[in-house]
Amino acid sequence: EPEVTQTPSHQVTQMGQEVILRCVPISNHLYFYWYRQILGQKVEFLVSFYNNEISEKSEIFDDQFSVERPDGSNFTLKIRSTKLEDSAMYFCASSMETEAFFGQGTRLTVV
Amino acid sequence: GIQVEQSPPDLILQEGANSTLRCNFSDSVNNLQWFHQNPWGQLINLFYIPSGTKQNGRLSATTVATERYSLLYISSSQTTDSGVYFCAVERRDQAGTALIFGKGTTLSVSS
Repeated sequence: EPEVTQTPSHQVTQMGQEVILRCVPISNHLYFYWYRQILGQKVEFLVSFYNNEISEKSEIFDDQFSVERPDGSNFTLKIRSTKLEDSAMYFCASSMETEAFFGQGTRLTVV
Repeated sequence: GIQVEQSPPDLILQEGANSTLRCNFSDSVNNLQWFHQNPWGQLINLFYIPSGTKQNGRLSATTVATERYSLLYISSSQTTDSGVYFCAVERRDQAGTALIFGKGTTLSVSS
C-alpha cells in the first residue's frame, strides 16, 4: 500500500543550525502539507503546496521556514536558525483531492 | 479561518463501554477526516467523511455537513483504543487549501 515516507525519523540539532526535513509523498498525489506538533499539543498546520507553489501558509510559517519540491518525488521543509521552541514532531502529508495521508513524522530536537 | 472544536477533551472508559466523540466546525468544508494518534505518535486514518455515515468494525462516524458537526462512535472499547482522536477539516477555495485539526479528545480505556 502506498505511503508517505519521512526522513530522518529523529534529528538532533544545535540551536542556530539549519535543518532539512524530507518527505516522499504518495506518487500520484497533488497536494502536499507540512504540520508541526509540539509534545502534548495539537497538530498545527504550517503550509500547503500545490502545482509547484505554496497554496496556503499559517502565521507560524514565517521567513525561518521554506518548502521545496526539488524533483518529482521529494518534498522538503527547511528550518533556518533553529530555536529551542522549534523542537517538535513534524509531519508531512499528501492527498489527491480527498483523503490526506500522513507520514510517520520526524522528531526534531533542538539543543 | 475555520475553527474546529472537539469534545470532550478527555474521556476515561472501562473496557467494553461505548463512547461518542464530537467535532464542531465553523464553516462549510470540502474534507473532514478522523484520525487516531497512537502512543508512538503516528496519525492513523480512521475515516474520510465530509458527509454521511460510515462504519469500520467497532468504529463508525457520521457527518451532518449542513449543521457543521461530525460524530465518532466507538463501541465495545478496548485498551488498544486508547490515544488521542483528532478531527480535521479542510476548505479549498481561491485563498488556498489547509487541513485544520481540532485539539483532540484523549481517550483512556482501562481493563
